[in-house]
Amino acid sequence: AQTVTQSQPEMSVQEAETVTLSCTYDTSESDYYLFWYKQPPSRQMILVIRQEAYKQQNATENRFSVNFQKAAKSFSLKISDSQLGDAAMYFCAYRSAFAGNQFYFGTGTSLTVIP
Amino acid sequence: NAGVTQTPKFRILKIGQSMTLQCTQDMNHNYMYWYRQDPGMGLKLIYYSVGAGITDKGEVPNGYNVSRSTTEDFPLRLELAAPSQTSVYFCASTRAGTLSSNYGYTFGSGTRLTVV
Repeated sequence: AQTVTQSQPEMSVQEAETVTLSCTYDTSESDYYLFWYKQPPSRQMILVIRQEAYKQQNATENRFSVNFQKAAKSFSLKISDSQLGDAAMYFCAYRSAFAGNQFYFGTGTSLTVIP
Repeated sequence: NAGVTQTPKFRILKIGQSMTLQCTQDMNHNYMYWYRQDPGMGLKLIYYSVGAGITDKGEVPNGYNVSRSTTEDFPLRLELAAPSQTSVYFCASTRAGTLSSNYGYTFGSGTRLTVV
């Protein structure tokens, strides 16, 4: 089974600064997709950004961007110009192209934004 | 567009009681999933379904049952509740098929269950 590892249980960033959250994964598949989800205190899971493994170009969504290193099986999330509303738990997720298309989640990184 | 609707949002059960967590989606998604989220443990897959009449076990299925009689509904049944089932439960759905695999899950808002 695939595994997703987030080695930073907690991170903090000053408002308006940049922070990078780390994620690594283990797979033998060549076709897959990667995601970052945000979970604020409301518990709602919100999709932040997605990356197709076959694309070399890193995905970008406004202040959020990823550094996807396929050979290293690394998928980090960079948040620029951090805002108070970015404070949340962030989960990295791997989606197989097969086997019921299920997701595998990391254990999460709790991000605190300091005013 | 309601998306994925979970009920109830909160519930307290006594040990040995049973209950059903309801999940309904209105997006015509083939694939539906139940996850549990324990503190510091991320989300773990309990059961999933790739279509009406088809269900399969995930990583942590013991103590749970599911059914999928329609595309829209995917209820999760807890029989003989135990304190170890205290958790937050999420239902999710997504489109099926390899070409649609870049779609993320749509999550419900979660059910916080406490077994005492």
